[in-house]
Amino acid sequence: KQEVTQIPAALSVPEGENLVLNCSFTDSAIYNLQWFRQDPGKGLTSLLLIQSSQREQTSGRLNASLDKSSGRSTLYIAASQPGDSATYLCAVRPNSGYALNFGKGTSLLVTP
Amino acid sequence: GAGVSQSPSNKVTEKGKDVELRCDPISGHTALYWYRQSLGQGLEFLIYFQGNSAPDKSGLPSDRFSAERTGGSVSTLTIQRTQQEDSAVYLCASSLVSGETQYFGPGTRLLVL
Repeated sequence: KQEVTQIPAALSVPEGENLVLNCSFTDSAIYNLQWFRQDPGKGLTSLLLIQSSQREQTSGRLNASLDKSSGRSTLYIAASQPGDSATYLCAVRPNSGYALNFGKGTSLLVTP
Repeated sequence: GAGVSQSPSNKVTEKGKDVELRCDPISGHTALYWYRQSLGQGLEFLIYFQGNSAPDKSGLPSDRFSAERTGGSVSTLTIQRTQQEDSAVYLCASSLVSGETQYFGPGTRLLVL
């Protein structure tokens, strides 16, 4: 069974810092990996999707990397802002099946 | 365009009652997914629909849970004889085709007293 782990569970940084969120998964037979953001009491917003054949994806201040062989992905947030405060979830889709396997998330607080 | 919508946004029910949760996917999306997010737990997959194919029910936790998708669009998740451990946020997602980016609705917060 695919296990997805996110470290750290919580993170607090001052505004302007660059930061890295980590995601690891136990089974490298993945189809793609997706990073989401979840605001309190809200649903999930897709940030970046990396196909298994890709190494990274970028969107604005966000950059996600994927090392499938080692079972790792990172989400890099540049020049963090208070509006980035949210829970960030990593999810992998296995080669077999379509359901996403989620980590428990990293709760990020960016202080002014 | 409109995103995924879910109703009700909140539901409080008594133990033993049945509840129905509704999901309206993004128009044109052929794949629809239900997930559950319990306090302190990650999101867990419940069920998946793709077009007119038989659904993947492998994530349903018990036979009290069922779901249907009528006309390839709206989906209803039914929980019979609710238990307190069913309290969670139930999230619906849709994607244009299977395996691609999933777009999530705001969820239904279910509380079973």
